[in-house]
Amino acid sequence: GENVEQHPSTLSVQEGDSAVIKCTYSDSASNYFPWYKQELGKGPQLIIDIRSNVGEKKDQRIAVTLNKTAKHFSLHITETQPEDSAVYFCAATNDYKLSFGAGTTVTVRA
Amino acid sequence: EAGVAQSPRYKIIEKRQSVAFWCNPISGHATLYWYQQILGQGPKLLIQFQNNGVVDDSQLPKDRFSAERLKGVDSTLKIQPAKLEDSAVYLCASSPRTGKNTGELFFGEGSRLTVL
Repeated sequence: GENVEQHPSTLSVQEGDSAVIKCTYSDSASNYFPWYKQELGKGPQLIIDIRSNVGEKKDQRIAVTLNKTAKHFSLHITETQPEDSAVYFCAATNDYKLSFGAGTTVTVRA
Repeated sequence: EAGVAQSPRYKIIEKRQSVAFWCNPISGHATLYWYQQILGQGPKLLIQFQNNGVVDDSQLPKDRFSAERLKGVDSTLKIQPAKLEDSAVYLCASSPRTGKNTGELFFGEGSRLTVL
């Protein structure tokens, strides 16, 4: 089955700086890569996703890049704000089962 | 639009006792998922329903876990008997999609289980 590894496990950034989270996947057939944000006491919420026929996607301050050859994808958050503090999960699927990474706890320091 | 509803939010039981969790998905969503999220880990799929049929239950510990989705709407997840390692947050999610597992999943706030 698909194995998704996520790094780093924790990330502390100064407000206004950028944050980058990286994930690798094992199944070359995976074709859909979502990112979820989970705030304390809440369920995960989709923030951005990318499909295998696209190399990069941007939505305001967040962007995701995908390198199919290397089987890795990354989340970039620019101009971080206190409300960006949360746990972020990457995931991958080959249409069959969605596998999540272990999560990255992001703390934005004021 | 109402989100995915789950209850109870918190449950504390002793090992070998039983517990049940309830989920009401977003109206009209055909696919329903139960995930187990152990502290410090990502969600792990336990079971996936499409309408009232099971699509995938390969990671459900069937000797102690059971789930059903009556009439293709609400779902219950039961654990009997519970073990210490079952302590986790049980997340219910739904999706309007059928077939492929691409597209947004809508998660509830979860049910936190502590087994003593």
